[in-house]
Amino acid sequence: AQKITQTQPGMFVQEKEAVTLDCTYDTSDPSYGLFWYKQPSSGEMIFLIYQGSYDQQNATEGRYSLNFQKARKSANLVISASQLGDSAMYFCAMREGAGNYGQNFVFGPGTRLSVLP
Amino acid sequence: KAGVTQTPRYLIKTRGQQVTLSCSPISGHRSVSWYQQTPGQGLQFLFEYFSETQRNKGNFPGRFSGRQFSNSRSEMNVSTLELGDSALYLCASSLAGWGASTDTQYFGPGTRLTVL
Repeated sequence: AQKITQTQPGMFVQEKEAVTLDCTYDTSDPSYGLFWYKQPSSGEMIFLIYQGSYDQQNATEGRYSLNFQKARKSANLVISASQLGDSAMYFCAMREGAGNYGQNFVFGPGTRLSVLP
Repeated sequence: KAGVTQTPRYLIKTRGQQVTLSCSPISGHRSVSWYQQTPGQGLQFLFEYFSETQRNKGNFPGRFSGRQFSNSRSEMNVSTLELGDSALYLCASSLAGWGASTDTQYFGPGTRLTVL
């Protein structure tokens, strides 16, 4: 079963506007972490933001914020004031916490964001 | 602090050959994970090493193997290369402390392998 779903294969946004990238997940583990990564055309995966399942507040990191809705099992990434350099693939990932050392990361299929000047 | 490094960055091999990729984690990180990324299959988990022991393993044939050294550096080996092994191979490191679901992985630049 797909554990991470990203329903938007591609998105366009105008420079300086905000954009929301969708992510829904599936787990029965009460302890899990949700992560967003950015992958530019160079290939390197860049960590953006983390949200823990027990965190009461939505995570924020600069222009990135995570809209965490636990009951709906969604963890959408919001990028404010888009910049041309934000054009990249964006991956949502989850790591469940079963056992002492947890399980491996599971990644979604990604969303390709294109920022238009 | 230096990031995750991977060598080589690019590699061209022919079918039937074997290849070894190297990954040096961020200083202090004890866990190293390997991923294969292809346009068709996306990001797929290969294996994770912690303290020289394989802790998790993905669904890949035995031709894919790895190891981790006492300094946490890791190598990945693919024997009897097939055309379908052409991919970007990404290495990621993490602290792997308690509360593992919070353990963030940091990725290297990847090794792009082309099998002819």
